[in-house]
Amino acid sequence: AQSVTQLGSHVSVSEGALVLLRCNYSSSVPPYLFWYVQYPNQGLQLLLKYTSAATLVKGINGFEAEFKKSETSFHLTKPSAHMSDAAEYFCAVSDRRNTPLVFGKGTRLSVIA
Amino acid sequence: KAGVTQTPRYLIKTRGQQVTLSCSPISGHRSVSWYQQTPGQGLQFLFEYFSETQRNKGNFPGRFSGRQFSNSRSEMNVSTLELGDSALYLCASRQGASSGANVLTFGAGSRLTVL
Repeated sequence: AQSVTQLGSHVSVSEGALVLLRCNYSSSVPPYLFWYVQYPNQGLQLLLKYTSAATLVKGINGFEAEFKKSETSFHLTKPSAHMSDAAEYFCAVSDRRNTPLVFGKGTRLSVIA
Repeated sequence: KAGVTQTPRYLIKTRGQQVTLSCSPISGHRSVSWYQQTPGQGLQFLFEYFSETQRNKGNFPGRFSGRQFSNSRSEMNVSTLELGDSALYLCASRQGASSGANVLTFGAGSRLTVL
């Protein structure tokens, strides 16, 4: 069964600094990988997804993630943090069968002015 | 195009009561999934329905049940509520029968508080 580990339940960065949120996955088959963001009192919104095309995936709001099979990682980055990026971020994995999407525990991002 | 709509958004129940939550998927989406979100356990999969049939079920007790109607709307029910059932219940829909690359679109959730 697939699983996701997000390193760091809380990450704090200064406005304008690099954002790096870590995600490692485990899957017995080639995975599909997703990053979702959740703002307070809202549902989850898709940031980006990897489906075996380009390994560097660009998403909304300036975020991108790189799929590294050798490291089983799919870290999320953004060159310059903005106050509006403060939210909780979830990495998720799916395989090519009809199994449910599995989420990591989430990383709360704080942006300091 | 309207998104995934969940009702009610907030509700308070007492232990032992039951609750029904409703989810209307995006028009044309036939698959509906439910997740429970708590601070301690994160997002845990409850069940998935496709064309009125339960296709997958998570590791929750039988007090948690669901169904899907012919118009793809879904309901979930929790009977004999316990304090630990307090959570944000998220519904998500997707277009096709296959999971995998098909993106889940989430509703805003129903926040249940059990007193």
